[in-house]
This record gives sequence, C-alpha cells and structure tokens, in this order.
Amino acid sequence: AQSVTQPDIHITVSEGASLELRCNYSYGATPYLFWYVQSPGQGLQLLLKYFSGDTLVQGIKGFEAEFKRSQSSFNLRKPSVHWSDAAEYFCAVGFQTGANNLFFGTGTRLTVIP
Amino acid sequence: DAGVIQSPRHEVTEMGQEVTLRCKPISGHDYLFWYRQTMMRGLELLIYFNNNVPIDDSGMPEDRFSAKMPNASFSTLKIQPSEPRDSAVYFCASSLQTSITRVDEQFFGPGTRLTVL
Repeated sequence: AQSVTQPDIHITVSEGASLELRCNYSYGATPYLFWYVQSPGQGLQLLLKYFSGDTLVQGIKGFEAEFKRSQSSFNLRKPSVHWSDAAEYFCAVGFQTGANNLFFGTGTRLTVIP
Repeated sequence: DAGVIQSPRHEVTEMGQEVTLRCKPISGHDYLFWYRQTMMRGLELLIYFNNNVPIDDSGMPEDRFSAKMPNASFSTLKIQPSEPRDSAVYFCASSLQTSITRVDEQFFGPGTRLTVL
C-alpha cells in the first residue's frame, strides 16, 4: 500500500541555521512529489513539486528538495532559516495509478529560535 | 483567480445540530477534495470528486457525513447530526488534472474551523 513517512514530528533550529526535513514514501510506481507549508490558521500552500527531470527542484521562499529514487526520499532543505519559516510542513506523494489524489505525511512542525 | 473559497471560516454549533460547509473550487479545476485536520489524526482525506462525480468516499467517517457537488463551482460537506468529536478544521482543495498519467498539485482553501459543543 502507498504510504508517506515524515519521521520528524517536531524540529527546532536557530535562525540562520540550515534545515533539512525528511520524507520517505513506499510504492513502486512513479511518484509525483510535493512539499506544502501550513502557517498557523492557514491552509496548505505549495512550496515545490517534482514530476520528472532534474532531481533537485527549487521552490518558493528559498526552499529546495532532492528526489532520491534509490532511497525513496524527497527531503526538503533550506540553507538559512528565517523566523518566518516557522510552520508545519507536509510532504505529499501521488502515484501514477490513474487517480489524481495525494497521500500526505503526518507533517513536521518547525520551530525557529532567535 | 481568487483561489479556493470556503465558508464559513468558523462555525460553532451544539451537538445534534446540522452543519453545512461550503466550497467553491478554482474555476476550471476538475477535481475537488475534502479533508479534515485534527491534532490527533492529522490531515485525512474524506472524499473527492472528479467532474462533479464522487470518486472515493472511503474516508467519510460515518453516515452522519455527506458531500455533494451539484455543479463544477460548488460543493458542500454536511454533518447531521454533529458531535463534539467532529470538531476539526475542514479543508477543501481543488486541482486540474493535466494528463491521465500525471498527479497534479492541489490548491487548498483557508479551511473552516468547526467547533461542536
């Protein structure tokens, strides 16, 4: 069965430090990969997506993610975190089965300390 | 485009009352999704529609929940009767499938925060 795992429930980083949020998926079909961010009281906003091609994708707000097929991973990174990046981050995966729905991870809450 | 529109943004009701949540997807999108988000269970897919037709309602928790999409620009999620455990944030999302072999991004509304007393 398809599944998406975000192993870190909560991460705390200092402002200016680098960030990496982990995401792993399980399923054999071609994955379509997404990262969303949710600020308190808001809906989910798309940060970036991977469909094919270059495995390193750039997104909004200075975020990037790298698809590693051999590890079934799609980790999100940012070289220098800003206080405004504090939010909940969701990894989502779609699989080429004809259905257009996404499977979401459980989210990682990011706290940024000054 | 105004994005996905949901109403109301907040709803407080008493147990046993009927609750109706509304969603207007992005114009031209052919998929519409209803999600529920709670601290305990995270983000759950309740039901989704393709071209106004329900495709998968396996996430609907029980018969008290129902969803309709009478046309391409409007959907409702109804809870009757409501219970305190239904308290959650309900999100509507829409997407446009650009190819049958592809899964496209979903655009989320701001959510409706439901509190059942």
